[in-house]
Amino acid sequence: ILNVEQSPQSLHVQEGDSTNFTCSFPSSNFYALHWYRWETAKSPEALFVMTLNGDEKKKGRISATLNTKEGYSYLYIKGSQPEDSATYLCAGTDFGNEKLTFGTGTRLTIIP
Amino acid sequence: GAVVSQHPSRVICKSGTSVKIECRSLDFQATTMFWYRQFPKQSLMLMATSNEGSKATYEQGVEKDKFLINHASLTLSTLTVTSAHPEDSSFYICSARRFVVGETQYFGPGTRLLVL
Repeated sequence: ILNVEQSPQSLHVQEGDSTNFTCSFPSSNFYALHWYRWETAKSPEALFVMTLNGDEKKKGRISATLNTKEGYSYLYIKGSQPEDSATYLCAGTDFGNEKLTFGTGTRLTIIP
Repeated sequence: GAVVSQHPSRVICKSGTSVKIECRSLDFQATTMFWYRQFPKQSLMLMATSNEGSKATYEQGVEKDKFLINHASLTLSTLTVTSAHPEDSSFYICSARRFVVGETQYFGPGTRLLVL
């Protein structure tokens, strides 16, 4: 995977609203898609790893879906809270290769 | 579980000196550790992959004599930036992976290096 793109670059959301953002990647030779949440001055926190087309994963108010045929993943946050403010990174790996190729991230700010 | 520490968190050094950064997996054994670098407004870029007890594999464009990696145990990898120059100023972050199929990488908090 040579190019992973995320959009938007940044996002401001009112507390209580739901939001989503996108990660796109080349679909050829794809193996896995990883999502991380990265708060300032902390370690990136692993959220999900997905491999199969149609995969859906959920962790509390956060969920993610994967479409390997068209090469995209969505991350959803339901009922945003101030503690959701962070940069959300996605990264892909190719088949037979454990190297992560990262996007530039979506910086999410929740407005109280 | 799966906590990775990194030390130091921030370092300022003079041009020409060497700086060592440590990456430790605190509660698991890491068969593989990775070193990344991030320049402002850019994504994390993999520099090298290291397996315990063997030489690191460097990505294209990363000088192995400049960025020395040692992975002497299953819980510790070190990155030494030798003869640092201002252009080496960056954010360096490590990750570690257990030998579990389908698992992700666990990251340290990173090290901000400023070379004067």
